[in-house]
Amino acid sequence: GAGVSQSPSNKVTEKGKDVELRCDPISGHTALYWYRQSLGQGLEFLIYFQGNSAPDKSGLPSDRFSAERTGGSVSTLTIQRTQQEDSAVYLCASSPPRRGYGYTFGSGTRLTVV
Amino acid sequence: AQSVTQPDIHITVSEGASLELRCNYSYGATPYLFWYVQSPGQGLQLLLKYFSGDTLVQGIKGFEAEFKRSQSSFNLRKPSVHWSDAAEYFCAVVLMEYGNKLVFGAGTILRVKS
Repeated sequence: GAGVSQSPSNKVTEKGKDVELRCDPISGHTALYWYRQSLGQGLEFLIYFQGNSAPDKSGLPSDRFSAERTGGSVSTLTIQRTQQEDSAVYLCASSPPRRGYGYTFGSGTRLTVV
Repeated sequence: AQSVTQPDIHITVSEGASLELRCNYSYGATPYLFWYVQSPGQGLQLLLKYFSGDTLVQGIKGFEAEFKRSQSSFNLRKPSVHWSDAAEYFCAVVLMEYGNKLVFGAGTILRVKS
């Protein structure tokens, strides 16, 4: 597609439920990133996929968070047993194979845990 | 610890006035440097990037930034601000030694008064 597509754009969930957030990167972009943006915390790196390499999960805040990327394209970020502190905007970005070559961000998913 | 600093949380300028947003990084090597803009409710849009070469880079929307190695700075400038420039601006870096992930500053909120 022309840009990075994220769905849903908004998600309200009850505390304790699991949620899945989807990211469809730009075709041909081998790298995919998830970030979290919340008040007072800025933009926080979560996880990074590059081609067939093992993902860099160093930013995942707890074991309730996981992500996978199927077929080197679409990625799903899963949050299990959601907590109120998980409320944030989750942003996905993708980039071409060459390092540092511009990261295109999606519009994000606003997650609200009630 | 490696970090990206945007010392100004808020800046207010008059429409038509010049603008400079500050960004400093604390890394040993020269990173790849970026400026992104985020309008309310929108995703992140890349304004410009620096990899190497000419230290003055031109971006979209009339913005430019200058890399100063001696000051570890990458300040964003615009000669004449428009009301539509009101948004939040993020400086970000990528260090090859630490993978390909973007590390963001805390952001600067720009207000434009007429």
